[in-house]
Amino acid sequence: AQKVTQAQTEISVVEKEDVTLDCVYETRDTTYYLFWYKQPPSGELVFLIRRNSFDEQNEISGRYSWNFQKSTSSFNFTITASQVVDSAVYFCALKGTYKYIFGTGTRLKVLA
Amino acid sequence: GAGVSQSPSNKVTEKGKDVELRCDPISGHTALYWYRQSLGQGLEFLIYFQGNSAPDKSGLPSDRFSAERTGGSVSTLTIQRTQQEDSAVYLCASSLEGTGYEQYFGPGTRLTVT
Repeated sequence: AQKVTQAQTEISVVEKEDVTLDCVYETRDTTYYLFWYKQPPSGELVFLIRRNSFDEQNEISGRYSWNFQKSTSSFNFTITASQVVDSAVYFCALKGTYKYIFGTGTRLKVLA
Repeated sequence: GAGVSQSPSNKVTEKGKDVELRCDPISGHTALYWYRQSLGQGLEFLIYFQGNSAPDKSGLPSDRFSAERTGGSVSTLTIQRTQQEDSAVYLCASSLEGTGYEQYFGPGTRLTVT
């Protein structure tokens, strides 16, 4: 069975704080990809990052960074120096040999 | 290039009426998904079209829901005898087929059943 768990339903931080969004997954596939998507208040989901199961290198893109650890089946997302524009719902997703599986999302509120 | 488009953007219908929601995927994308998102909630998987294979309909909530994909491109989600609990945003996404490709989402159709 495949499953994606985002245990944090909602997180509130003050602007400029760092915040980490957790994602834990389950799969029996040996080859799979993990994704993060952002859904801003405007509603349209936007792809942020993809990581394959054979590449555990962390990735940094500006204020965003991702930590993939197969040993703990986690793919966590950190926003450094958060900004109000980061306020959105963030979804983690898994794609193995079959269909995409999405987590339930984490709503991030960044307060000015 | 053009992204995923959905029409209509908003639909208000009376309880008991049928509605059709349309999705135009990105050209060349053979995988197409429909999801439903109720206010403040996550993505509820409805149906998955994968190339020429039989669609995965395991997420359709009742037999009032059906979907077609014609010519491997445009897809239509039909809801018959709409109920108030069908009110939600219906999202369509497409991707290239294969494990590593991200989905591209459309803007959604907001359905309100009165």
